[in-house]
Amino acid sequence: DAKTTQPPSMDCAEGRAANLPCNHSTISGNEYVYWYRQIHSQGPQYIIHGLKNNETNEMASLIITEDRKSSTLILPHATLRDTAVYYCTPRAGTALIFGKGTTLSVSS
Amino acid sequence: DTGVSQDPRHKITKRGQNVTFRCDPISEHNRLYWYRQTLGQGPEFLTYFQNEAQLEKSRLLSDRFSAERPKGSFSTLEIQRTEQGDSAMYLCASSLAGSQWSGEKLFFGSGTQLSVL
Repeated sequence: DAKTTQPPSMDCAEGRAANLPCNHSTISGNEYVYWYRQIHSQGPQYIIHGLKNNETNEMASLIITEDRKSSTLILPHATLRDTAVYYCTPRAGTALIFGKGTTLSVSS
Repeated sequence: DTGVSQDPRHKITKRGQNVTFRCDPISEHNRLYWYRQTLGQGPEFLTYFQNEAQLEKSRLLSDRFSAERPKGSFSTLEIQRTEQGDSAMYLCASSLAGSQWSGEKLFFGSGTQLSVL
């Protein structure tokens, strides 16, 4: 399984963009990068995923470097409800393998 | 779409007792996953089913853990002879997966919190 490295915590002011980095230098060529988040006392929630190209949906944008060794999740206008643990997880088969993630704290 | 449902939400048991958790996936979802999560850690994969077939169980924590998905609908996770170290949140997720692994979104339930005294 590819290993990931994420900062343990980040802070963001409400209304500003939150940029969450993830290093996945051992990712293999057919592994997608998935991002999930987990709000306290709930199960993880899917955010976005990508293989090589940058992706955008109604929740976030995903920027993947050309060498695919790292990616950045962007929440364009963070709100207080975006406070959560964010997980970056590569996957090629079987199941998602989660690390400890990044705890994002959004404050007013 | 009523979401993934897990029952019970909380379970308190004494060491040595057996416990069983139930997961009802989103209707029509063909894959079902079980994870365990301890405080401060990300979810840890345990096992998964494609319809009624259990395709991966090597990550089940010990032979005290077993899971079933009869008829490919709901699933149960049983822990026999519980130990204090089994205290954790047990999460279930389901997905609708095709022949490719890409684009599979997992939908998680809210979990069952197990406390072993």
